Amino acid sequence: DTGVSQDPRHKITKRGQNVTFRCDPISEHNRLYWYRQTLGQGPEFLTYFQNEAQLEKSRLLSDRFSAERPKGSFSTLEIQRTEQGDSAMYLCASSSSSEETQYFGPGTRLLVL
Amino acid sequence: AQSVTQPDIHITVSEGASLELRCNYSYGATPYLFWYVQSPGQGLQLLLKYFSGDTLVQGIKGFEAEFKRSQSSFNLRKPSVHWSDAAEYFCAVGAFSGGYNKLIFGAGTRLAVHP
Repeated sequence: DTGVSQDPRHKITKRGQNVTFRCDPISEHNRLYWYRQTLGQGPEFLTYFQNEAQLEKSRLLSDRFSAERPKGSFSTLEIQRTEQGDSAMYLCASSSSSEETQYFGPGTRLLVL
Repeated sequence: AQSVTQPDIHITVSEGASLELRCNYSYGATPYLFWYVQSPGQGLQLLLKYFSGDTLVQGIKGFEAEFKRSQSSFNLRKPSVHWSDAAEYFCAVGAFSGGYNKLIFGAGTRLAVHP
């Protein structure tokens, strides 16, 4: 069990560019979550997948954000036309249906210039 | 609405001193409660959790927490702090929704440890 991994760990981009982040959950976990954490705050829920189905999206997830989990394994989070306000740490977590404990990855820190 | 309050933004303790980090939650049903720790630039590591049963739960690194329903609190404690405990600590409640829990976090408490 290698834990939850995320790639890249850091991303610097210019305003208006598109970015994509990847999350690989713990292999036997069927639930996957994305959170966003801004400086000085706790993480905020963005979206949830059970297997490949996206079952909930937060109001924080504007139309510029899209997340997928095509085969129920890894997930991607894409931000189109990035804005400076998108600068944050994007955290991925996974859990199994039999255990209500979410395990977090190291996060992707995004800086939009 | 569900919420978590961590009243202390920053706490400084001396190494070897005891520690208590406060957490209050607002949730309509019996909550699932968690404490996570985050080192600078890192993800969150689970310290401990409460689902049901014994209200005093033990976690990793010598931490414990006590669930007090009457006070809507889940305070984190450690009898003797080590310099390596310096980090940010987050309390979270699992908001049950449609068969799964999404976590609602407090704003965190940053712990500094003096030698």
